[in-house]
Amino acid sequence: EAQVTQNPRYLITVTGKKLTVTCSQNMNHEYMSWYRQDPGLGLRQIYYSMNVEVTDKGDVPEGYKVSRKEKRNFPLILESPSPNQTSLYFCASSSLTGAGTDTQYFGPGTRLTVL
Amino acid sequence: GEDVEQSLFLSVREGDSSVINCTYTDSSSTYLYWYKQEPGAGLQLLTYIFSNMDMKQDQRLTVLLNKKDKHLSLRIADTQTGDSAIYFCAADNYGQNFVFGPGTRLSVLP
Repeated sequence: EAQVTQNPRYLITVTGKKLTVTCSQNMNHEYMSWYRQDPGLGLRQIYYSMNVEVTDKGDVPEGYKVSRKEKRNFPLILESPSPNQTSLYFCASSSLTGAGTDTQYFGPGTRLTVL
Repeated sequence: GEDVEQSLFLSVREGDSSVINCTYTDSSSTYLYWYKQEPGAGLQLLTYIFSNMDMKQDQRLTVLLNKKDKHLSLRIADTQTGDSAIYFCAADNYGQNFVFGPGTRLSVLP
């Protein structure tokens, strides 16, 4: 079954304690992306990756890091989380066409609370 | 859990109106969103409606919400070729449960 998985689904942590949210896809997609969703604000892109070892900043990259060492995995790293990073995070993946990304497949979301 | 459904494809002629439909299952959904994904781009928030509203209009876009039937629609007036994209419906329950639909691919024919 084609899917994007994220772990953990829920996480409560404290300010400054480094954490990693994993994302994995089994569709051999080149493109992967991280978004955060805040009520009333819509989805905002944090980072994206067009392929292995290729990552780029999205609209709200401050406070986040990513890596793409393997095609299937795209972890999101918060080196020193702060309360304003409390949010719902989505990972997504898609194949690349000649015109850009194809339809994106979304993970189930990770709810992060930073105290 | 919440389930959000959309038809997968829609084709319209340039200049006609497009109506993209969405149904959701969680009656406690508070915000309902429409996102647009153009080729090569991330998701763009088009509009959203709070659950106590029936309608929201923003230029060529009209969102209708039937809370009783849990049905949301997005109408695009005077559809243009630049409107060709994938449109995602999403339902949110105060951020507790945010679920996307599968996306509707809108093709605008000249």
